Amino acid sequence: SQTIHQWPATLVQPVGSPLSLECTVEGTSNPNLYWYRQAAGRGLQLLFYSVGIGQISSEVPQNLSASRPQDRQFILSSKKLLLSDSGFYLCAWRGLAGGRGQFFGPGTRLTVL
Amino acid sequence: AQTVTQSQPEMSVQEAETVTLSCTYDTSESDYYLFWYKQPPSRQMILVIRQEAYKQQNATENRFSVNFQKAAKSFSLKISDSQLGDAAMYFCAYRSGFYNNDMRFGAGTRLTVKP
Repeated sequence: SQTIHQWPATLVQPVGSPLSLECTVEGTSNPNLYWYRQAAGRGLQLLFYSVGIGQISSEVPQNLSASRPQDRQFILSSKKLLLSDSGFYLCAWRGLAGGRGQFFGPGTRLTVL
Repeated sequence: AQTVTQSQPEMSVQEAETVTLSCTYDTSESDYYLFWYKQPPSRQMILVIRQEAYKQQNATENRFSVNFQKAAKSFSLKISDSQLGDAAMYFCAYRSGFYNNDMRFGAGTRLTVKP
């Protein structure tokens, strides 16, 4: 069966510091991978998606970037965090059977102080 | 652009009773998929049920069923025999086409289950 991992689970960072959140998927190959952000009490906003190694599509221009160095690894980064980057970050994957929907990881709660 | 609207920020239901959560969407596409996700306090997003727009039959998963009204662009979720574990945020989501990567989410409905 497929599983998706994210770490860290929680993170507190000062403004201006760098960020690296990692997401890995097990039990599948060549998944589509997604990064979402969820602000407090809000829905999900798609940040980036990737259909293959090295292929990144950005949905929202911002302070963040994403990379996919391996087939089942997706990384969300920032060189300098802003207060507005605080939120809950969710990674998701989708297989070839696209109609089945996306499956989400446990998420990372990021607080920027 | 496609939008998803959940008009009920909060709902409550008595344990063992039935509750319906509303969702409407706006699209000009004919091929699309609709989903309901549950987000419990742990904040893990869990897929509850999905519906393909080309299917007229409403999807059902155990105690969860949908009322899909394509002409009205409505996609409500019915939870029967509500349980305490059903308490969560519920998000309606839309995606056009089989290969599209842009899934749009509603703002969510917080469901409280009273014992």
